[in-house]
Amino acid sequence: DIVMTQSPDSLAVSLGERATINCKSSQSVLYSSNNKNYLGWYQQKPGQPPKLLIYWASTRESGVPDRFSGSGSGTDFTLTISSLQAEDVAVYYCQQYYNHRRTFGQGTKVEIK
Amino acid sequence: QVQLVESGGGVVQPGGSLRLSCAASGFTFSTYGMHWVRQAPGKGLQWVAFMQYDESYEDYADSVKGRFTISRDTSKNTLYLQMNSLRAEDTAVYYCVKEPRAGTTMGDVFDIWGQGTMVTVSS
Repeated sequence: DIVMTQSPDSLAVSLGERATINCKSSQSVLYSSNNKNYLGWYQQKPGQPPKLLIYWASTRESGVPDRFSGSGSGTDFTLTISSLQAEDVAVYYCQQYYNHRRTFGQGTKVEIK
Repeated sequence: QVQLVESGGGVVQPGGSLRLSCAASGFTFSTYGMHWVRQAPGKGLQWVAFMQYDESYEDYADSVKGRFTISRDTSKNTLYLQMNSLRAEDTAVYYCVKEPRAGTTMGDVFDIWGQGTMVTVSS
């Protein structure tokens, strides 16, 4: 199975500041035939199911604020929250969907400093 | 609107069985790949099982293979997870999850999640 490793495990950021979460896969999730990275990002708030934020590594899901952006290719990816808002406090997960055996990163908890 | 509603969770003794259901509405159930994902208390997300839209392919996490079976009844727009030989480490919230693209055999993200149903394995 593809192992997904996120860093850091947690971070505290001041309101309005940038938050950056990294995700590394144990093998490339770039599919050569269509040049797409099979990498998604999810946000989970307490007591709620996860919500899809980003797919194809950098495409925002409909309705997701543009302060959320994804980047990277191959094995290294980043989720950036450009200006942290109070409602962004949550745990964020990366996920590969390169194969049907989906795997998630361990999660990164984002808090307000 | 697109909705997934899980049911069937509860408390079961080690070695016991449970069947989870996921009622789907608001979309053509038979044309989408479906998954089960679980989350142990205070822990991260773990993919459990997948069934392709046409039921021609299914797969399981190693930790549940041989014990869990995923199935779907398109006449009832319902996804199931039969869980046998349950262990304490199966204790988790189980989410039913949908893929966003119809009729695909390629990997895809999860665009719709149910609210989850709690399974507790304890004596």
